[in-house]
Amino acid sequence: EADIYQTPRYLVIGTGKKITLECSQTMGHDKMYWYQQDPGMELHLIHYSYGVNSTEKGDLSSESTVSRIRTEHFPLTLESARPSHTSQYLCASSEGRQEQFFGPGTRLTVL
Amino acid sequence: DQQVKQNSPSLSVQEGRISILNCDYTNSMFDYFLWYKKYPAEGPTFLISISSIKDKNEDGRFTVFLNKSAKHLSLHIVPSQPGDSAVYFCAAKVSNFGNEKLTFGTGTRLTIIP
Repeated sequence: EADIYQTPRYLVIGTGKKITLECSQTMGHDKMYWYQQDPGMELHLIHYSYGVNSTEKGDLSSESTVSRIRTEHFPLTLESARPSHTSQYLCASSEGRQEQFFGPGTRLTVL
Repeated sequence: DQQVKQNSPSLSVQEGRISILNCDYTNSMFDYFLWYKKYPAEGPTFLISISSIKDKNEDGRFTVFLNKSAKHLSLHIVPSQPGDSAVYFCAAKVSNFGNEKLTFGTGTRLTIIP
């Protein structure tokens, strides 16, 4: 069983607020990912990291930023939340060419 | 342009029967395919995968078939059980060295009827 955690699980916040979504994994995986998913839609990759101090933008443009200072931690930050950021955010990790393990997700609502 | 397509948003199957979920792709560079299962309010869980050098992979009740010429893969679940009710996502990647980015389909909601 994979050990990957996301907090908070649910977040309702007002427009203009700065938020950070936390993602941690205890498996020592080198690769980590952030996906965004709207209901009934596919998962879109918004950020990924192949190791410490390595971050890349994904296929879907996002106003969020990420950092990878420690192997186990891959937080996502929105400097100024807007209603268009309302979505589910899923964090994942993998090792080598193995499958990606997903966290439980954070459902973000921006009013 | 959606490179991985799951054209059936939902599927209902009687308990004990076979469930067949379909997935089509357009990118001929994809060479590794995965199926994930997702329950509400949880993250996706890996189910089974297949490399393009194979046309079938089996794991217990789950079998994935790959037809490269048709750019089509399917997931068979037999026998279907109530706990299989979930959303199933097909995903694909081009597994050149270091590239682990997955492209997902929109998912198929499977409902198993007791």
